[in-house]
Amino acid sequence: SQTIHQWPATLVQPVGSPLSLECTVEGTSNPNLYWYRQAAGRGLQLLFYSVGIGQISSEVPQNLSASRPQDRQFILSSKKLLLSDSGFYLCAWEINYGYTFGSGTRLTVV
Amino acid sequence: KNEVEQSPQNLTAQEGEFITINCSYSVGISALHWLQQHPGGGIVSLFMLSSGKKKHGRLIATINIQEKHSSLHITASHPRDSAVYICAVMPAGTASKLTFGTGTRLQVTL
Repeated sequence: SQTIHQWPATLVQPVGSPLSLECTVEGTSNPNLYWYRQAAGRGLQLLFYSVGIGQISSEVPQNLSASRPQDRQFILSSKKLLLSDSGFYLCAWEINYGYTFGSGTRLTVV
Repeated sequence: KNEVEQSPQNLTAQEGEFITINCSYSVGISALHWLQQHPGGGIVSLFMLSSGKKKHGRLIATINIQEKHSSLHITASHPRDSAVYICAVMPAGTASKLTFGTGTRLQVTL
C-alpha cells in the first residue's frame, strides 16, 4: 500500500537554530513531492515541489530549502530559524492528480 | 481576492443535520480536491473531482466547471464529522500544484 511518513510530529526550536524535517514515501515510484506550510489562521501555501531526485522548485522566497536525495525522500531544512518560520508543515506526494498527505509537523520557533 | 473562496468559514450543526460547504474558484482548473483536517492537523483527501459528482458513504461532492463552483455535502451529520474542510484546486497549466481555500470549520453537536 502507498504510505507517507513525516517526522517529527511536533518541534520547538530556538531562533537561529537549524531545522531538518524529513518525509519518506512507500509503495510508489517517482512521485511528485511537495512541502506545504500552514501559518496560524491561514490556508496552506506551497513551499517546494520536486518532480525527481535532485530537482527542487521553490514557490516563495524564504528562509528554508528543500532537498530530494532519494526518489522517496524529501527533506525540508533551514540553517537559522526565524520566528516567522513557525507553523504547520505538511509533506505530500502526488501521482496522476491524486494526493496523499503526511501527518504534519507543528513547528514552534521561540 | 483569493483564487479559492469557501463559505461558510464556520459552521455549527446538530447531529443528523444535512450540511453543505461551498467552494468557488476564479481560474481554470485541472481538478479540485476536498480535504478534511482534524484537530491534530493531519489532512485526509476526501475527493478529487474534475466533473460531475462523487459519493462516499455520507459524503457527496459535486462540481460545476462552467460556474467554477463545487459543493461538499454531509448527510446525517455526526460529531465525528467535526473538522476543518478544505477545498483545493489544481490550476490548469501549473502541473499538479494545489491552491487552497482557507477552510470551513465544522462543529457537529449532539
